[in-house]
Parts: sequence; C-alpha cells; structure tokens
Amino acid sequence: QEQLQESGPGLLKPSETLSLTCTVSGGSLRGYYWSWIRQSPGKGLEWIGYIYYSGRTNSGRTNYHPSLESRLTISLDTSKNQFSLKLRSVTAADTAIYYCARQTGGSLFNYWGQGTQVTVSS
Amino acid sequence: DIQMTQSPSSLSASVGDRVTITCQSSQDIGDYLNWYQQKPGKSPKLLIYDASNLESGVPSKFRGSGSGTYFSLTIDPLQPEDIGTYFCQQYNDLPITFGQGTRLEIK
Repeated sequence: QEQLQESGPGLLKPSETLSLTCTVSGGSLRGYYWSWIRQSPGKGLEWIGYIYYSGRTNSGRTNYHPSLESRLTISLDTSKNQFSLKLRSVTAADTAIYYCARQTGGSLFNYWGQGTQVTVSS
Repeated sequence: DIQMTQSPSSLSASVGDRVTITCQSSQDIGDYLNWYQQKPGKSPKLLIYDASNLESGVPSKFRGSGSGTYFSLTIDPLQPEDIGTYFCQQYNDLPITFGQGTRLEIK
C-alpha cells in the first residue's frame, strides 16, 4: 500500500520561499504523475502542479497551474523516492493545507498525503 | 480554466435517505470527472472515477452518473459515517479544477 508524507516548515514570512517534500513509501515514482494540491477556506481545493516521471531519464516532465507558474518549481529526487515543491515570494494568499498526491494516468488522485498546514504571516 | 459548480453547498439529511449532489462544468468535459469524499481533518478520498466507475473498496451505495456538463453523485442509503464534504474534479483540461464542495450533515 503506497503511502505519502509531506514535510516542511509550517510558518513563513511574506516574500520567503516555501519548500515542501513528499516522501513516497511502498511504491516507485516511475510511471506516475506526482501532484501538489492545496486547500484553503477561501479557495477550496486548488491543483498546484505535477511532475511526471517516466523512468527513461533522471528528470521529470512538469506542468504547473498558470497562476503559480512564475513562482513554482516541482522536482524529483529518485534516489530518495521523493518529490518536492518550491514556491517563491509567498504571501498570505499562499496560506493553506498542502497535500501531495499520486495522480494516476494524469486523471485521478488515488493516494494522498495527510497534508501539512502552511501559514504565511509577518 | 474550467469552472466546476456544485449544488447544494451544504445539505442535511436523515439516516436512510437518498442524497444527490450535483456538479456542473463550464464546458463539455465528456466523462472526465471524479468524485471525492473528505472527512473532517482528513485528506480527500477517491470515490468515483470517470463519472460513474466505483473506486475499489468503495461501497456500492455511492453512485455517479452524467456526462458532458452535468454530473451527479448519489448516496443511498445515507449512513452516519457518510458525513463530510464531497468534491467533484475535472481532468478534461489543465489546470485540473475542483468544485467548491458540498458539506453533508446528518439531521
């Protein structure tokens, strides 16, 4: 049974960079889309972006939400079975619970992490 | 972006009732729609994929239907463990988008 676990700081100041890591256990990164999704009271569930790892190269193919693309990087560390999110220049609007999830076939999210609360406040 | 609109936003029903939640998309998405259940303090759980297919391990009291722009999720019969928030999600086009959620309570 695949398990995902988010880790990273829970409190940031405006203009800082949010860095989160998702550790995948019980399965391989190969052949799946690995997504970040956030949830806030004001905006509900918001897909942030994904990285797809085919296994043919050491890197993955990414796709980001257009509203976040200029500030966002999602990357892989296949040696640790992890994928990561970096969101630059955060503001209070980035305050949310951040989930990592496995996206099968680019369509459905069938494995989720437990979520991690991120608060941006001065 | 494709907008997903759920109705109602909240719902209170009795144990044993048949409950229906609807989801409308701002453009034709075929059957590229999934449904999730989120219990308080937990991450969402996939219930239905491709509009009408039951995810493995999900009870058959959950049923999804629809195509194009109009979709529905039916729970029959409603049980106390079904309380939570239900979301639809489209994957016809990027960015992937979710409905705003329907909060289900027991009377």
